[in-house]
Amino acid sequence: GESVGLHLPTLSVQEGDNSIINCAYSNSASDYFIWYKQESGKGPQFIIDIRSNMDKRQGQRVTVLLNKTVKHLSLQIAATQPGDSAVYFCAENNYGQNFVFGPGTRLSVLP
Amino acid sequence: NAGVTQTPKFQVLKTGQSMTLQCAQDMNHEYMSWYRQDPGMGLRLIHYSVGAGITDQGEVPNGYNVSRSTTEDFPLRLLSAAPSQTSVYFCASSYSSRLNYGYTFGSGTRLTVV
Repeated sequence: GESVGLHLPTLSVQEGDNSIINCAYSNSASDYFIWYKQESGKGPQFIIDIRSNMDKRQGQRVTVLLNKTVKHLSLQIAATQPGDSAVYFCAENNYGQNFVFGPGTRLSVLP
Repeated sequence: NAGVTQTPKFQVLKTGQSMTLQCAQDMNHEYMSWYRQDPGMGLRLIHYSVGAGITDQGEVPNGYNVSRSTTEDFPLRLLSAAPSQTSVYFCASSYSSRLNYGYTFGSGTRLTVV
């Protein structure tokens, strides 16, 4: 099994419900943010990004919200499916410096 | 287009042994980096490179060396393996580190040091 993520917070949602995954970032100067999805045994995959001049961005079934006042990022997944089960990371970047990654949240989709 | 390729996928080393984790990308990406992933700690940056011939240290560089002789390859060398280096290692690349592009990750190398 996957040893990475054993101690992560877990969000369990019913298939078909909406999921909201939260992330508190650390640097108020960060200007670019990404959400990644990591399935068991695989590397992280890009889901959606947002720049600091925006507060909302939508993709296919996913929406990212940015609240710079409280340094908070959220990922909303509509109509959650079994294939959405994974660990989700947020990452922040400060004007081209290296990304800093959050510890992640495990999303578990219940049938 | 293979993206980012890491080899090997699994490796077991004895304490004190040395080895090289390979990473290659075929996207002509300028930026490459190595991360380690440990339970509950997220991804931590080991070393990175902003172009051929240029490398720099990340958050946790001790015990690791890198070189970037070509744009495509960015190997990570463990000089004398220690149990604390047991982890999952990911190589990532990006078009540019200066213009805020997302990373493409390899599938990882799971390393166990006994």
